[in-house]
Amino acid sequence: EVQLVESGGGLVQPGGSLRLSCAAPGFTFSSYWMIWVRQAPGKGLEWVATIKQDGSEIYYVDSVKGRFTISRDNAKNSLYLQMNSLRAEDTAVYYCVRDRDFIDGSRHYDALDIWGQGTKVTVSS
Amino acid sequence: AIQMTQSPSSLSASVGDRVTITCRASQGIRNDLGWYQQKPGRAPKLLIYAASSLQSGVPSRFSGSGSGTDFTLTISSLQPEDFATYYCLQDYNYPRTFGQGTKVEIK
Repeated sequence: EVQLVESGGGLVQPGGSLRLSCAAPGFTFSSYWMIWVRQAPGKGLEWVATIKQDGSEIYYVDSVKGRFTISRDNAKNSLYLQMNSLRAEDTAVYYCVRDRDFIDGSRHYDALDIWGQGTKVTVSS
Repeated sequence: AIQMTQSPSSLSASVGDRVTITCRASQGIRNDLGWYQQKPGRAPKLLIYAASSLQSGVPSRFSGSGSGTDFTLTISSLQPEDFATYYCLQDYNYPRTFGQGTKVEIK
């Protein structure tokens, strides 16, 4: 079964660190761009970071640049998000997401087709 | 960053109604837009990509249209399982940005 399983969330104090992991059994992980999306309590969705299949391209939302690092290990079929210098506003459910990257001629389109169940991160003293 | 503005923020509708949700981009994004459905306590689900392409397994009552700055998600005949929050997402450039969401409630 194609699925994504996140882990690593929890309660952390402001300024602390957490490392989220996402296991990706059931498909050829190395063939897909991967994404982290978060959702603060009662709020909408926020794109956090994207990584290309081989890790050669990485993008972040401005609010996490310099604090968060997205990475992947294709041999372990796993995606990671290292979160440092955490702030209260980072409190959210974090989703690991597969991007099917639909290709039409020379055009590429995101198609976020597989989502994990989410892992909750709470930043509070 | 490109701003995505959805309207309305919420709506009440009855089963069988035709529902239209709009997403407007702060600049032209060609047809680089997707639509996602989220039910309470659940992960989002892909409905539409490339503005109008229906994801496999999604009912044909869902459709998307638009190009440039203005996009529409239409549910032709609302079903009980369609009550949820809907989000647009631009993939024209980075940072990717979501609309703020449209909550579809039962009238």
